[in-house]
Amino acid sequence: SQQGEEDPQALSIQEGENATMNCSYKTSINNLQWYRQNSGRGLVHLILIRSNEREKHSGRLRVTLDTSKKSSSLLITASRAADTASYFCATDALNSGYALNFGKGTSLLVTP
Amino acid sequence: EAGVAQSPRYKIIEKRQSVAFWCNPISGHATLYWYQQILGQGPKLLIQFQNNGVVDDSQLPKDRFSAERLKGVDSTLKIQPAKLEDSAVYLCASSLDLELYTFGSGTRLTVV
Repeated sequence: SQQGEEDPQALSIQEGENATMNCSYKTSINNLQWYRQNSGRGLVHLILIRSNEREKHSGRLRVTLDTSKKSSSLLITASRAADTASYFCATDALNSGYALNFGKGTSLLVTP
Repeated sequence: EAGVAQSPRYKIIEKRQSVAFWCNPISGHATLYWYQQILGQGPKLLIQFQNNGVVDDSQLPKDRFSAERLKGVDSTLKIQPAKLEDSAVYLCASSLDLELYTFGSGTRLTVV
């Protein structure tokens, strides 16, 4: 079963704007990860945040984690057309051999 | 470092036929995963191997799907007989530390 739920399902913005995607999950986790997928391609790991961390940065990416609300957000600042892709959050449930469970994803379109 | 290799890249078969997918993980990665990604959805775990042993196959439809990882390296996923609803991208991933996954480009299966 899919653990995470991303919101919104689709997001359309212009270059230079910020994009925010949210993820909610159901069970206790060890860590939460965000992945990116270009159309027809495999998944690329973006960032991992552990359950004892609240915020993490990597380049133009900022991830927050609120374990009390079982939610996370991914912020992409100063977006570019090349950021157009689907973004997935994934959690590793402690009782599932740490295998990643993915949400349904947010489809991001960045127009020039 | 070479990535996760998958073949074939695309496959079209008729329903009730059989098909096999192959995955070669990153050298030294003990954990290997097969995911199914139906169009518009996030990846769903089918099976997780640790070396050549199965850790989790609870979501594998065992009446038609089978997977093996002989010698703890390469893995094959087989579907026999295929159904229309098996049309999806089949993703293989490997991990060294149970945290960071590297995904292959996937095999896109179309069942007609």
